[in-house]
Formats: sequence, structure tokens, C-alpha cells
Amino acid sequence: AQSVTQLGSHVSVSEGALVLLRCNYSSSVPPYLFWYVQYPNQGLQLLLKYTSAATLVKGINGFEAEFKKSETSFHLTKPSAHMSDAAEYFCAVSDNHFGNEKLTFGTGTRLTIIP
Amino acid sequence: DTAVSQTPKYLVTQMGNDKSIKCEQNLGHDTMYWYKQDSKKFLKIMFSYNNKELIINETVPNRFSPKSPDKAHLNLHINSLELGDSAVYFCASSRLSTASNYGYTFGSGTRLTVV
Repeated sequence: AQSVTQLGSHVSVSEGALVLLRCNYSSSVPPYLFWYVQYPNQGLQLLLKYTSAATLVKGINGFEAEFKKSETSFHLTKPSAHMSDAAEYFCAVSDNHFGNEKLTFGTGTRLTIIP
Repeated sequence: DTAVSQTPKYLVTQMGNDKSIKCEQNLGHDTMYWYKQDSKKFLKIMFSYNNKELIINETVPNRFSPKSPDKAHLNLHINSLELGDSAVYFCASSRLSTASNYGYTFGSGTRLTVV
């Protein structure tokens, strides 16, 4: 069974500092991996995705993530945090067997930006 | 213009009542999903439908009954509501053959409170 683990349920960084949100995955097949962001009282918005192409994936709002098979990781980074980045971030893995696909989410990381 | 729309956005009801949540997508996707997000923000899949056919049912109590009249709609009916049903319910859609490549599009959620 596939799963993702997000280390750190809360992360605080100063405005302008590096953002690093950690995600490790477990999958019996080559995984497809996603990061979603959820702003307060809103739905989930796709930030970026890894689907077995380039291992360094760039997403919206200046975020990027690197797929490292040897470490089973897909950490999310942003060089310089902005106040508008404050939100809940979810890592997800796809069971990409055609006909029975579902996204399995991690428990989320709340990112707080300190002015 | 909303891609995946859910109604109502908020629902407060008493224990034992029956309620429905509606979901519609105008993206031309063939697969729709219901996810439940609990008070700790954990997201768990409940159901998925592909072209009106149930393909995932994640051991959800049979008080929950999804209905898909066509591939653009997936409604969720809940009988005999319990306190533990209080959560945010998210509808999502995808094109199944590309779900792993493009992820899902989520609605903005329905916050259900059972009192």
C-alpha cells in the first residue's frame, strides 16, 4: 500500500527565509507525487507534481520539489518565503494503476510566516 | 466559471437527520471523488466514480450513499447523521487516464457540523 509521511505538522519561517517542507513516500510501484496547498476555508490547489519525468519539479508561486528515489523523498522548497505562503501543505502519492487510481495524502504541514 | 462546485458550503444539522451534498464539475472529467477531511486536517478518500460507475469505496459506513446521475455530478447522501460525521467534505474530479499525471481538481468543500 502506498503512503506518505510529512515530517513536522507545523513549520514556522521568517519572511524572506528558505521554506523546506518534508515528505517521504512509500509505494510498491513507481510513484506519482504531488504537493497541494490549502488556504484557510478553501479547497486544495495543486502546487506541483512529479510523474517520472524530470526529478526537479517547478510549480506555482516559486515552489519546487526534488524527487530522490534513494531517499524516498519529495521535499518542497521555496528560496524566499512570502507572507502569502501561509497555508496548509499536503503531500500526496498516486496509486497509478489504471482503473483504480486514488490520491493518498499525508497529514499536512501548517506553514506560518513570521513577519 | 467554477470548475468543481459543491453545495452547500456550510451545513449544520442535528443528529439523526438525513442530508445531501451536491457536486458538479464542468471540466469534462470522467471521474469524481469524495474526500473527508477531519478536524486534524487529515484527508481520506471515501468514494470515486468513473462514468457513473463506482470504482472505489473505502469502507465507508453504509449510511453514506453516493449517487452519480451523470459523469458531471456526484452527490453524497448521508443518513442518520452522527456527531462523528462532522468534517469538511471535498469533491474532486479528474480524467482517469491522466489522473496520475495531472492530479485532481478540488471543490472548495462543504463544512458539515452535526449537533
